[in-house]
Amino acid sequence: SQKIEQNSEALNIQEGKTATLTCNYTNYSPAYLQWYRQDPGRGPVFLLLIRENEKEKRKERLKVTFDTTLKQSLFHITASQPADSATYLCALGLSDMRFGAGTRLTVKP
Amino acid sequence: GAVVSQHPSRVICKSGTSVKIECRSLDFQATTMFWYRQFPKQSLMLMATSNEGSKATYEQGVEKDKFLINHASLTLSTLTVTSAHPEDSSFYICSAYGTGNTGELFFGEGSRLTVL
Repeated sequence: SQKIEQNSEALNIQEGKTATLTCNYTNYSPAYLQWYRQDPGRGPVFLLLIRENEKEKRKERLKVTFDTTLKQSLFHITASQPADSATYLCALGLSDMRFGAGTRLTVKP
Repeated sequence: GAVVSQHPSRVICKSGTSVKIECRSLDFQATTMFWYRQFPKQSLMLMATSNEGSKATYEQGVEKDKFLINHASLTLSTLTVTSAHPEDSSFYICSAYGTGNTGELFFGEGSRLTVL
């Protein structure tokens, strides 16, 4: 069966450092992979979409990589800030989008 | 960006009653909307795909008679949890794709259902 694993349930880092979150998947060949941010008690908010033919995508302090051979995506937040503290979800597919369980990131001042 | 609104944001009900949750696309038309449920510290689980003017498509294991979905207009989908029980307590979230072909999903604020 299809599986999406976000390796760390929680990640704590110091302000200013780079946060790196991992998303691995099995039994799936998605054409699209997305990352969302979810704050407690709120719906997810879209951050980035990357296509299978793209290796890397950037948006301000965010960077996403997509390795279809390794079946893995890495999500980086550079120069992290306490305001970046949230749960980050990876999602695969489009019309039948499936989500990972998320990684709860805490950025300490 | 597109705005999706959910109502109510919180609802508490007694066991055995039915609860309706509304999902509206405020500034765009959504022929398709998605309903998810999320338990604490768990992933969003797709429950069903709601199609305007036709029957919803339910994911495996989701009881269609328990979770009634109606998508009567291009801006409104409703989820009714019928004969709710405490195990139905969860966070229910809807989403829709905006106009344009960006692939970005717009989510509602979510509805926290507590069944006593």
